[in-house]
Amino acid sequence: NAGVMQNPRHLVRRRGQEARLRCSPMKGHSHVYWYRQLPEEGLKFMVYLQKENIIDESGMPKERFSAEFPKEGPSILRIQQVVRGDSAAYFCASSEQGLDYGYTFGSGTRLTVV
Amino acid sequence: TQLLEQSPQFLSIQEGENLTVYCNSSSVFSSLQWYRQEPGEGPVLLVTVVTGGEVKKLKRLTFQFGDARKDSSLHITAAQPGDTGLYLCAGARSGDDKIIFGKGTRLHILP
Repeated sequence: NAGVMQNPRHLVRRRGQEARLRCSPMKGHSHVYWYRQLPEEGLKFMVYLQKENIIDESGMPKERFSAEFPKEGPSILRIQQVVRGDSAAYFCASSEQGLDYGYTFGSGTRLTVV
Repeated sequence: TQLLEQSPQFLSIQEGENLTVYCNSSSVFSSLQWYRQEPGEGPVLLVTVVTGGEVKKLKRLTFQFGDARKDSSLHITAAQPGDTGLYLCAGARSGDDKIIFGKGTRLHILP
């Protein structure tokens, strides 16, 4: 029973390029959450998705960032025209039983913008 | 504004000592959780507490949820080097659709 799978683990992009981060939730989980983590910071919520629907994107910047969770395939977090400030660790988490049961996290994607 | 305040931010102690870290808020939470994160990895859920005053034990770790459901503590007895890591407090308030996180306590146990 594979856990939450994120890829790539490390991603280097030049300023202005696009970054695509993928997340496959745990089998049977239909709720996906994306968080961003900077050094010495906690996890900052970005977006919450269910299959084919964005439920809450209140933590995601309005420009350059988008997320999807299609009927088939992984959830994708896309960052267009990356800037140095986008460098961070991006974590995906999934759940099924409700928030009181907590999340299962992936190992994250470390994005470095050069 | 940080809804969940964790203290201390950093803690370095000798193997065998006891320690307590704290998580405080002015908001009421329907549940609070503790996660441990190691370098290069995602957080791993340790425990969830849902009832005010609840105490849960996980081997040498004791977790407590405050009576008013606004705070929690994590106590480690006889700390070991394997306890080293970032401990994150997190919670969901009634009506929230996501879990919010504190900034964490970075714990280092010296052998």
